[in-house]
Amino acid sequence: GENVEQHPSTLSVQEGDSAVIKCTYSDSASNYFPWYKQELGKRPQLIIDIRSNVGEKKDQRIAVTLNKTAKHFSLHITETQPEDSAVYFCAATPANQAGTALIFGKGTTLSVSS
Amino acid sequence: ETGVTQSPTHLIKTRGQQVTLRCSSQSGHNTVSWYQQALGQGPQFIFQYYREEENGRGNFPPRFSGLQFPNYSSELNVNALELDDSALYLCASRLGAQEQQYFGPGTRLTVT
Repeated sequence: GENVEQHPSTLSVQEGDSAVIKCTYSDSASNYFPWYKQELGKRPQLIIDIRSNVGEKKDQRIAVTLNKTAKHFSLHITETQPEDSAVYFCAATPANQAGTALIFGKGTTLSVSS
Repeated sequence: ETGVTQSPTHLIKTRGQQVTLRCSSQSGHNTVSWYQQALGQGPQFIFQYYREEENGRGNFPPRFSGLQFPNYSSELNVNALELDDSALYLCASRLGAQEQQYFGPGTRLTVT
């Protein structure tokens, strides 16, 4: 089955700096890679996702890159703000297959200090 | 918000007891997945229901069971509760095999 590794487990940056979180996956059948942000006591919220037929996707200050050959994908946050502080999870799944589910990494706690 | 709701918000049970958690999916979403999130960990897939039948299961024992109803609501039942079952339980709904999943706010279960 799929296994997702996520690094680093904690990340501290100054406001305005960039933050990068990296994930690797094991199942070459995985073709959908979402990133979730979870604030303390709240539900995971989808912030960006990428499909295996795309190498990069950007949404304002957030971007995700995917390297299918190396089986890794990364989240890039530019111009970080204190409200970006949260736990970020990457996930992978072989989408469009019955019975499949998201396999999550263990999370990265991002702290942005002002 | 996602339109997915869960009840109760918090629950305290004793080891050996049984518990039922509930989820109301976004209207029209016929696929629901349940996840267990232990403190400091990522969500772990328990099982998935599609059109009222289980069609996928993670590495959880049979004492974790579920139901899905025609009105897009679902239940997670856990028998013979163990201390390690203490966690946040999340449900997520989606339409068919559509990729994007919408999470509910979760139920915090504490087993003492």
